[in-house]
Amino acid sequence: ETGVTQSPTHLIKTRGQQVTLRCSSQSGHNTVSWYQQALGQGPQFIFQYYREEENGRGNFPPRFSGLQFPNYSSELNVNALELDDSALYLCASSLARTGVVDTQYFGPGTRLTVL
Amino acid sequence: EDQVTQSPEALRLQEGESSSLNCSYTVSGLRGLFWYRQDPGKGPEFLFTLYSAGEEKEKERLKATLTKKESFLHITAPKPEDSATYLCASSTADTGRRALTFGSGTRLQVQP
Repeated sequence: ETGVTQSPTHLIKTRGQQVTLRCSSQSGHNTVSWYQQALGQGPQFIFQYYREEENGRGNFPPRFSGLQFPNYSSELNVNALELDDSALYLCASSLARTGVVDTQYFGPGTRLTVL
Repeated sequence: EDQVTQSPEALRLQEGESSSLNCSYTVSGLRGLFWYRQDPGKGPEFLFTLYSAGEEKEKERLKATLTKKESFLHITAPKPEDSATYLCASSTADTGRRALTFGSGTRLQVQP
């Protein structure tokens, strides 16, 4: 069974640029969630995708957007990068089933540095 | 608004010195309380899910418990390899999304 994978591992961008982060979900999972983790803080929920549709969004501006593909992999896109976007971006996958509390399994993360 | 608060922020133990980490939550309709372990620069690793007050789960030197307002992660006779940040997170009854609300974590250092 393959776990959650993310690419790239590290990324350096300059303010104003755009970035795309990628995530492959764990085999058998149908839901992908994205989190932002600043240094010394817990992860903050960005949004979640279920069956290729956004299924909830945290307190992040519209310049954070995403996609989920038929194979349940996902992308996180951030436009007009700001210095405060520097963080570890985490992808988590889970199997959403009615009436069952699903467990989210995290990937290794992408470290984004904005200069 | 759901809130999860962890204490202490940092904890330094000697090898073999047992202790507990605290996670207080203020959420409406708790569906699950999760514990994760995170090593520096890596993604959180799932440890436990607790669903209802009174529930307990164990894994090696770790034991998680849940009350109506708090969860505790008890570490018995820790070893240096238990050094990590421990995160707790809540999942609530908002069925429109299945987001986790995380605390800021407890950084545990176990010295030999």
